[in-house]
Amino acid sequence: QKEVEQDPGPLSVPEGAIVSLNCTYSNSAFQYFMWYRQYSRKGPELLMYTYSSGNKEDGRFTAQVDKSSKYISLFIRDSQPSDSATYLCAIHNNDMRFGAGTRLTVKP
Amino acid sequence: EPEVTQTPSHQVTQMGQEVILRCVPISNHLYFYWYRQILGQKVEFLVSFYNNEISEKSEIFDDQFSVERPDGSNFTLKIRSTKLEDSAMYFCASSSQRTGNLAKNIQYFGAGTRLSVL
Repeated sequence: QKEVEQDPGPLSVPEGAIVSLNCTYSNSAFQYFMWYRQYSRKGPELLMYTYSSGNKEDGRFTAQVDKSSKYISLFIRDSQPSDSATYLCAIHNNDMRFGAGTRLTVKP
Repeated sequence: EPEVTQTPSHQVTQMGQEVILRCVPISNHLYFYWYRQILGQKVEFLVSFYNNEISEKSEIFDDQFSVERPDGSNFTLKIRSTKLEDSAMYFCASSSQRTGNLAKNIQYFGAGTRLSVL
């Protein structure tokens, strides 16, 4: 079983839609959960991070962690064309393990 | 805002040649990392480095690879005798810590070096 699994998409939504991105992980020892955004030909850029179960909100973005199910989500409200990118979940214990990344396109 | 810088942005080399990819981490960070992303695939951990030593490495990081911090600012990844399958984006990252306080664990990435092995 892979350490981190993420549906690579691609995912295409109209502007203004709510986007849901998800990952599952296998190792309950993982402590920290992050979402990175990667624009084409750029390095990953940290979007949000959390270490506890529950929700964490930052503007239009909400990160959700369910440790009992080993499931993490990122919700984007009122999605914008500028949100078009690849979103990578990352799980951290001593080192980082990335999901495959979900390519999101928000169409105007 | 401090950032991780990588040079060159694109490196083209012949199979069998040695390449050195360069990174300047954020100045007060102590932990340094290299990752690889083959086109269309996930970002893969290669190696972490602290106090002039490798802390951890993946199975990808074999004898072909080496890392070095030759001075107080640069962090390099050397690939000896490159193979076609080494073609990928290579990302450098740095963090101020590696365990403990989550905020200090956060890894900041450079824009990457695209390595093309012909």
